[in-house]
Amino acid sequence: GAGVSQSPSNKVTEKGKDVELRCDPISGHTALYWYRQSLGQGLEFLIYFQGNSAPDKSGLPSDRFSAERTGGSVSTLTIQRTQQEDSAVYLCASSPSQGAEDYGYTFGSGTRLTVV
Amino acid sequence: EDQVTQSPEALRLQEGESSSLNCSYTVSGLRGLFWYRQDPGKGPEFLFTLYSAGEEKEKERLKATLTKKESFLHITAPKPEDSATYLCAVRISGTYKYIFGTGTRLKVLA
Repeated sequence: GAGVSQSPSNKVTEKGKDVELRCDPISGHTALYWYRQSLGQGLEFLIYFQGNSAPDKSGLPSDRFSAERTGGSVSTLTIQRTQQEDSAVYLCASSPSQGAEDYGYTFGSGTRLTVV
Repeated sequence: EDQVTQSPEALRLQEGESSSLNCSYTVSGLRGLFWYRQDPGKGPEFLFTLYSAGEEKEKERLKATLTKKESFLHITAPKPEDSATYLCAVRISGTYKYIFGTGTRLKVLA
């Protein structure tokens, strides 16, 4: 597609339920990142995928969070047993290759998650 | 500890009133410094990458500069459409992780 697509754009869930957030990166982009943006906070790194390499999961805040990337394209971020502190905007970004600094990242519009 | 601090948190300008946004950083090694613009309800949009002290880049009314400790985003004769949150990020040498500042919310009044 022309840009990074994320779905759903908004998600309201009850505390304790599981949620799945989806990211469709730009075709051909090998690097994919998930970030979390909370009100008044900077973007917080969650996880990074590069091609077929093992992902860097060091930013995931707890074992309730997991992510996968199938076929080097679509990625899904799963949050199990959601808590109110998980409420945030979850942003996905892709780039042509690892650290393509000249081009920066292309971000999606994010999924706004609200846990009630 | 690697850290990025942006100031001011918020800035209101009259149309045509030039100003600068600051991004100061403390990192173990700088691979690159990035500026992004973020509109409400949207993801950040890439503006510039700066790699070394003394480097400058321009795009329309925006000019980014870099020193060893900070970067400035200069906005010349801003227009209302320049209203957005401007984010600064650094990439640490030897890693692919980026540390973002909390941003400067810019409002340009007609």
